[in-house]
Amino acid sequence: KAGVTQTPRYLIKTRGQQVTLSCSPISGHRSVSWYQQTPGQGLQFLFEYFSETQRNKGNFPGRFSGRQFSNSRSEMNVSTLELGDSALYLCASSWAGGEAKNIQYFGAGTRLSVL
Amino acid sequence: KNEVEQSPQNLTAQEGEFITINCSYSVGISALHWLQQHPGGGIVSLFMLSSGKKKHGRLIATINIQEKHSSLHITASHPRDSAVYICAATPNTGNQFYFGTGTSLTVIP
Repeated sequence: KAGVTQTPRYLIKTRGQQVTLSCSPISGHRSVSWYQQTPGQGLQFLFEYFSETQRNKGNFPGRFSGRQFSNSRSEMNVSTLELGDSALYLCASSWAGGEAKNIQYFGAGTRLSVL
Repeated sequence: KNEVEQSPQNLTAQEGEFITINCSYSVGISALHWLQQHPGGGIVSLFMLSSGKKKHGRLIATINIQEKHSSLHITASHPRDSAVYICAATPNTGNQFYFGTGTSLTVIP
């Protein structure tokens, strides 16, 4: 079974641009969560999608948004990029989002650099 | 205030030593997770706990629900154990993780 796939792996953008990151969960997994990792703040929760609906949201500005498609693939978008958005963005999937005890499987991440 | 606190932040050990990493949390949780992150970013889930103790090879994870505390132990540490270990809590209210700051472990041969 293929793991969680994130594309692209690396991305360089300039301030003010927007970016879209993609995450394909493990087949059969319906919950996809997104996280941001920076040296200063560590890992922080962005949002979780389950069955095409955003179910939980972290404390990030509205420039950060996401969506989930009917095949459970998810995208996150960051508009009007700032230097501080430079980070590793990780997505994780789990098989049944309704059960909080499920293990999450992480993708390798997308490393975004904003210049 | 962070929902999950982890200590120590950095740890250096000699090969063969017994290692303990601690995690305390302040929210009601449905599960406590221990994750391992190697250089390059990939995260692997080591344990998911809601009570008691779990063992996998040289790794042991325990949780005390009353004290809101969990520990990760590594017996007979090896240089390949060098990584960042992260404690994460799944709250009762959702499926997201609250993360500790991580413990960077270096095991010296």
